[in-house]
Amino acid sequence: ILNVEQSPQSLHVQEGDSTNFTCSFPSSNFYALHWYRWETAKSPEALFVMTLNGDEKKKGRISATLNTKEGYSYLYIKGSQPEDSATYLCALPYMDSNYQLIWGAGTKLIIKP
Amino acid sequence: DTAVSQTPKYLVTQMGNDKSIKCEQNLGHDTMYWYKQDSKKFLKIMFSYNNKELIINETVPNRFSPKSPDKAHLNLHINSLELGDSAVYFCASSRYGLAGETQETQYFGPGTRLLVL
Repeated sequence: ILNVEQSPQSLHVQEGDSTNFTCSFPSSNFYALHWYRWETAKSPEALFVMTLNGDEKKKGRISATLNTKEGYSYLYIKGSQPEDSATYLCALPYMDSNYQLIWGAGTKLIIKP
Repeated sequence: DTAVSQTPKYLVTQMGNDKSIKCEQNLGHDTMYWYKQDSKKFLKIMFSYNNKELIINETVPNRFSPKSPDKAHLNLHINSLELGDSAVYFCASSRYGLAGETQETQYFGPGTRLLVL
């Protein structure tokens, strides 16, 4: 089955600093990569879907890049704010007979005021 | 309007009981899912339904059974609850299933926190 790894597991960042973290996956049989943001006591919400090597997506201060040849995606947050505190999940479709999303364990981001 | 709703939000029950968790989506989506957030906080797919047809059935105990009365609802019924069933269960929906579109975003409900005593 697909192995989706995220690093680091958790990250403490000072308010105002920029940060980034990684989602790694096997480069073969790539279809798409999904980034979700999951705030504590809420439900996961979609941030980006990326499909092409070299893709870059941006939403406000958050952006993501994709390298399908080497099997990784970076999520960047510029000028972190307290409201950015959340767990960031990546997920990839695993297209066996079940067609499911395989989720990483997430990177828990804590912004320190 | 809440897009994906689940009830109850919290469920505390005794071992051996039978319980149901309800899920409804008002997005007009074709596919609905049940996930379990395990002890390591991973999201694990349990079931999905596409147009009232089961298309994913992971290796979950057969004490768990999904029931879909219509396209907008996917309920999760659990028989003979065990201590290890304690977890957070999330319902989600997407316009199409992954078989039709790998870029489809999934929309999640707020989760049901199940505690089996």
